Amino acid sequence: NAGVTQTPKFQVLKTGQSMTLQCAQDMNHEYMSWYRQDPGMGLRLIHYSVGAGITDQGEVPNGYNVSRSTTEDFPLRLLSAAPSQTSVYFCASSYKGDFYGYTFGSGTRLTVV
Amino acid sequence: KNEVEQSPQNLTAQEGEFITINCSYSVGISALHWLQQHPGGGIVSLFMLSSGKKKHGRLIATINIQEKHSSLHITASHPRDSAVYICAVTPGHNTDKLIFGTGTRLQVFP
Repeated sequence: NAGVTQTPKFQVLKTGQSMTLQCAQDMNHEYMSWYRQDPGMGLRLIHYSVGAGITDQGEVPNGYNVSRSTTEDFPLRLLSAAPSQTSVYFCASSYKGDFYGYTFGSGTRLTVV
Repeated sequence: KNEVEQSPQNLTAQEGEFITINCSYSVGISALHWLQQHPGGGIVSLFMLSSGKKKHGRLIATINIQEKHSSLHITASHPRDSAVYICAVTPGHNTDKLIFGTGTRLQVFP
C-alpha cells in the first residue's frame, strides 16, 4: 500500500546508545520531515528535506542527524540517546508546495532509560 | 505565547451533537491543516485550506485569513469521531515547515 512506512514502532534504548529510525515513502514526494510529539506540547519539527541531497534543521534538531540520499528514504539518527529524547516520533511527506496535504507514518514510540 | 492556539483543549459531546473546534494563529501562512489523531496514535490529514471552506462528509473546515482564525465543525457527531484534532499551519511560502497547535481531545459518548 502507498504511504509512509516507519520502523520500528517501539524501541527502548539505554542512555548513550545510538540508533536509526527508518522512514520510507513510495509516493515520490519531494518533501519529507521528522517530528516529535511530547505530552502537552504540539508536534515539533526536528529536521526536514525538500529533496534528495538537501536537508535542513527544524525547531529541535540537537541530538539528531539526518540524510536524504534517495527520494524514498529519510532516516533519523540519534547520535547518543538521552532521556530527554523519550518521545513519539513521526515522519511525514508531501508534494512540493503541499497542495495535497501531508501523509504521516504510524509513529515510533521511543523510550530512553 | 504559542503561534498556533486551539480551543477548547478538551471537549465531550453526546452522539448527534454539532461540534466546533477553533484554531487561531499569529503568523502569516500559506496554508492551514486540520489533522486527526486516533487513540492508536496514527495521524491523518483531514483538510488543507488556504481560503474559504471545505467539506468532506460530516466534516467542515473554514478559514478567515484576515482574522487568522479557522474552525473545524463536525455535524451529527458519532463515537468514532473521538480523537485528538490538531491544527497546523505552513508559515510563509515555499516552506515545508509546519507549526502545530497542541490539539483538542474530543470524546463523543453514545
